[in-house]
Amino acid sequence: GAVVSQHPSWVICKSGTSVKIECRSLDFQATTMFWYRQFPKQSLMLMATSNEGSKATYEQGVEKDKFLINHASLTLSTLTVTSAHPEDSSFYICSATLGPYNEQFFGPGTRLTVL
Amino acid sequence: DQQVKQNSPSLSVQEGRISILNCDYTNSMFDYFLWYKKYPAEGPTFLISISSIKDKNEDGRFTVFLNKSAKHLSLHIVPSQPGDSAVYFCAASWGGSEKLVFGKGTKLTVNP
Repeated sequence: GAVVSQHPSWVICKSGTSVKIECRSLDFQATTMFWYRQFPKQSLMLMATSNEGSKATYEQGVEKDKFLINHASLTLSTLTVTSAHPEDSSFYICSATLGPYNEQFFGPGTRLTVL
Repeated sequence: DQQVKQNSPSLSVQEGRISILNCDYTNSMFDYFLWYKKYPAEGPTFLISISSIKDKNEDGRFTVFLNKSAKHLSLHIVPSQPGDSAVYFCAASWGGSEKLVFGKGTKLTVNP
C-alpha cells in the first residue's frame, strides 16, 4: 500500500513551453501533497504544499506564477512549469502524507530537461 | 542556512560490516527525525524514524540513535548488504508539521 506515482517519468521540452507533471496516490487518499525539486548532489528542496480544494502554499523564493499547482482531488495533484527555461531543468518529486505521523510517501520523480 | 546537515557526502563499507551514517541539525524545535533511502532516478523511500522523546529506535538491521544534547542522530545498518547501496537522506520535522527538512544525503556503497 501507500504507492505514489508520477507522470511522466522524464520529459524534454523547448525553452518557453509549459510542462505538466502529475502526482497520484494510487491506493490512498491524500489531503496533503508536497512538491520537491532536487538538483544534482543537493538535498530535496520543498517547493510547495498542495492541499486538496485550496490554494497551494509556496516556500519562500518559489514563484507561484511559474510553478502552478492544482490539487483537484484527494488522489491527484499537478505541477505545471510555465514558460520553462533551462535553469528549470531538475528532478521534481512529489509526496503524499498518510498515517498518524504524517509519514510521507514519495513518487518516483520526474526528470525535466529544458533545451 | 542548512538546518539538517549530512557532512559526509559518501561512505564505503565492506559487506557484512556496520554502516554508520551521521546527521546533525541546528534547529532545536525539531522533534521528529526520519531516514530515507533513495536510488538514482527514483523517489526516496522511508526507512526508519525516531521521535525526540526516544534515543533509539530499531527495525531489523536498521537502528537510529538520537542524541538531543548534541543535536545529532545516526543510522546504523548491521550487517551491511550490497543492496543497501543508495543515497541516504536524513530529514526532520517539528510540532506535528507535515513539512520535512532534508539533508543533502550520503551515498553509501557496500562492497561485496
